[in-house]
Amino acid sequence: AQSVTQLGSHVSVSEGALVLLRCNYSSSVPPYLFWYVQYPNQGLQLLLKYTSAATLVKGINGFEAEFKKSETSFHLTKPSAHMSDAAEYFCAVIYYGGSQGNLIFGKGTKLSVKP
Amino acid sequence: EAQVTQNPRYLITVTGKKLTVTCSQNMNHEYMSWYRQDPGLGLRQIYYSMNVEVTDKGDVPEGYKVSRKEKRNFPLILESPSPNQTSLYFCASSVSLPGQRNNSPLHFGNGTRLTVT
Repeated sequence: AQSVTQLGSHVSVSEGALVLLRCNYSSSVPPYLFWYVQYPNQGLQLLLKYTSAATLVKGINGFEAEFKKSETSFHLTKPSAHMSDAAEYFCAVIYYGGSQGNLIFGKGTKLSVKP
Repeated sequence: EAQVTQNPRYLITVTGKKLTVTCSQNMNHEYMSWYRQDPGLGLRQIYYSMNVEVTDKGDVPEGYKVSRKEKRNFPLILESPSPNQTSLYFCASSVSLPGQRNNSPLHFGNGTRLTVT
């Protein structure tokens, strides 16, 4: 079955350090890819999305993600973590040819930022 | 203000007592979807709707029903809730199928925390 994998259910970084959250998809045909963020007691908010226009995608709050077809990856990065970045992050995909309405989410990575 | 509104935010009920969680969006979106979020499992899609009177099963539809009689509303119905349906539920909507157009991200409601005892 097609899936999306997020490596690491918890990631902890120091304030000012690089943030790297990993996401891999499982298809030879590049899908649509998304990163969402969930702050405590809130719904999910779109950070950025890849729709084949450019491999490096810039999102809100200084986050960006690079689509690498050879690695089937779409990792999320931010050069310098801020305390307000502490949240749970979800990678999501829509695969071509699959169920037209099914946005498949990864299991999430909880980011902690230490002062 | 453009938003997806779910009600109630919190609900505690007993096994077998029918309940409905409402979802309404004011953005004239065609696509709507229900997810449940469980620790360690991420979000799993229950049902989705591409337009009025068009609904389809997601990954975990068992024990749930939906209807889409109007574009703005997409209620989630649990005819006979069971404890394994205790979860955090999210409704979401989009202009069209997410990713189909560049301006169609999913907009999420704030969630409904359901406890079935």
